[in-house]
Formats: sequence, C-alpha cells, structure tokens
Amino acid sequence: GNSVTQMEGPVTLSEEAFLTINCTYTATGYPSLFWYVQYPGEGLQLLLKATKADDKGSNKGFEATYRKETTSFHLEKGSVQVSDSAVYFCALFRPSGNTPLVFGKGTRLSVIA
Amino acid sequence: NAGVTQTPKFQVLKTGQSMTLQCAQDMNHNSMYWYRQDPGMGLRLIYYSASEGTTDKGEVPNGYNVSRLNKREFSLRLESAAPSQTSVYFCASSEALRASGATDTQYFGPGTRLTVL
Repeated sequence: GNSVTQMEGPVTLSEEAFLTINCTYTATGYPSLFWYVQYPGEGLQLLLKATKADDKGSNKGFEATYRKETTSFHLEKGSVQVSDSAVYFCALFRPSGNTPLVFGKGTRLSVIA
Repeated sequence: NAGVTQTPKFQVLKTGQSMTLQCAQDMNHNSMYWYRQDPGMGLRLIYYSASEGTTDKGEVPNGYNVSRLNKREFSLRLESAAPSQTSVYFCASSEALRASGATDTQYFGPGTRLTVL
C-alpha cells in the first residue's frame, strides 16, 4: 500500500542553521507529494507541493524536490528562524483506496535563538 | 472567508456519552474529510466525503459515523464515546478529490480537542 516515512524528531537547531527533514514514500504510479506544517495549537497548513517527478516545490524559503528515482521528497531550508518551530508532515496523494492523502508521522522542529 | 471552521474547540465526555463534532467550509469545495491526530501516529483518516451525498470509510472508522449535511457541512458523531477516542480531531476540505487530474490540496480547520474520561 501507499506509505510515507519521515525522519523522527525532535530536531533542535540554532537560528540560521541549515535544515533537512527526510521523507521517502512508497506508492504505485506517480503520486502528488506535499509538505504540511502545524504551528502550536493550530491545524495543518500546506507548505509546498510537487505533482510530478523533478518538480521543485518552494514557499517561505523552504524547498523540496520530487525525486522519483529515490522515491524521496526531502524538505530543506537554508537558514531557519525561531518562527519556523513547528511540526512538519510529509504526505502523498493517490485518489484511489480508502486513504487518498497519506501522512507521515510528523517531525517536530525547535529553533532556538 | 473563514475557510474551514470546527466546533467545539474543546470537549470533555464521560465514557458512553455521545456527541457530534461540527465542520463547515466556505470555499465551495466538493470533498471533505475527518482526521484524528494522536501523538506519534500522525494524522489518520476516519471518514471522507468525495462529494455531496457520498461518504466513505477511511483508515480508522470504527466507533464513528458521519453526515454530509450539504455541500458546506460535514459532521462527525461519536455514538458511545470510549477513552480510546481521546484525540485531536481535524476536519479538512479540498476542491474535488475525484476530479481528473486532481492533486487534492487539503485545507484544515483548527481542530477539536476531545477528552473521554
């Protein structure tokens, strides 16, 4: 079945450090891939997405590239800020089956000043 | 434009009590979803409605029922609450799950924190 595996947290970084959160997936065909972010006490918000191989999604300084050959969609940011502290979820979309949007378990990021 | 709204924000129930969680969206979306979020488990889909008049089971439907009241509203009912249903519940919506070429960006509500004693 479809699944998403992302690195376990928590991840603690100093402000201005480089961030990578790994995400790999298992799916048939060509799913769409997403990163969602959840700030404390809030619902999830779409951070970025990519719908086909080699697409790069980007938003708010975050980037992720859809790598079909390695079935990966790693999230990166060159210089994190305290305001980036949140839980990040990788997800894939396949319209068939009883779970069209499959989420990873989330990675908690804490950025300290 | 409020997006996706959920009521209540917090609720405490005793085992065996029933309640309904309400969700509404004002984005004219066709598809709506109910998830639960538990520590270390990510989000798990309970039920979804691909379009008005249809509902389907997700990954963890046992103990829940849903009603797609109209295009805007999608409610989740716990008939006899159990401590295992203590969780944070999120409603979400998307433009059209089954549309050709759909990439299904979902928009989430702020959540309902439910405790069952």
